[in-house]
Amino acid sequence: AQTVTQSQPEMSVQEAETVTLSCTYDTSESDYYLFWYKQPPSRQMILVIRQEAYKQQNATENRFSVNFQKAAKSFSLKISDSQLGDAAMYFCASGARSGTYKYIFGTGTRLKVLA
Amino acid sequence: GAGVSQSPRYKVAKRGQDVALRCDPISGHVSLFWYQQALGQGPEFLTYFQNEAQLDKSGLPSDRFFAERPEGSVSTLKIQRTQQEDSAVYLCASPGGQSSYNEQFFGPGTRLTVL
Repeated sequence: AQTVTQSQPEMSVQEAETVTLSCTYDTSESDYYLFWYKQPPSRQMILVIRQEAYKQQNATENRFSVNFQKAAKSFSLKISDSQLGDAAMYFCASGARSGTYKYIFGTGTRLKVLA
Repeated sequence: GAGVSQSPRYKVAKRGQDVALRCDPISGHVSLFWYQQALGQGPEFLTYFQNEAQLDKSGLPSDRFFAERPEGSVSTLKIQRTQQEDSAVYLCASPGGQSSYNEQFFGPGTRLTVL
């Protein structure tokens, strides 16, 4: 079975500082994607960053970057220069590039940004 | 449309009632997914459509849950004889373009509360 584990239920970061959210996964798929989604309170889920498993280079999107360790099945998200608007639930997810293409989500990490 | 829309946004049902939740995916998107997100949890896969064909319904928790997409666009998730454990946010998502493994765009969800 495919699983995604987020071991940090809640994290806090001071505004302008850097924070890293952890995620580990297990999949039998040979070709897959990994994602970080952000879900602000009462608002819809939006994609933060995506990593294709066959690419060795870590994905970056402005202040967001990942540390993808394929052998360790680890996929952490680093948020630099944290802003108040970054406060949200963050979900790590894996998605296959074949079959059903469904996403498997972790349980989420609630990020608080302190002013 | 500009994004995935869902209606109603909130639904309160008495235990035993039937409910119908609607999803309007982004125009032209071939695939459509339904997820269930319980309070404090990550979304969990329910079912997947490619056009009007329901290709995977392995995540539906019981035979009280039924989904359809008769014309390959709008989809309806129906829950019969609702139970308290059905209380959750129901999310609809559609991947961009013609490839089912593309990034999934999520709707705002329908929050179902069963009393």
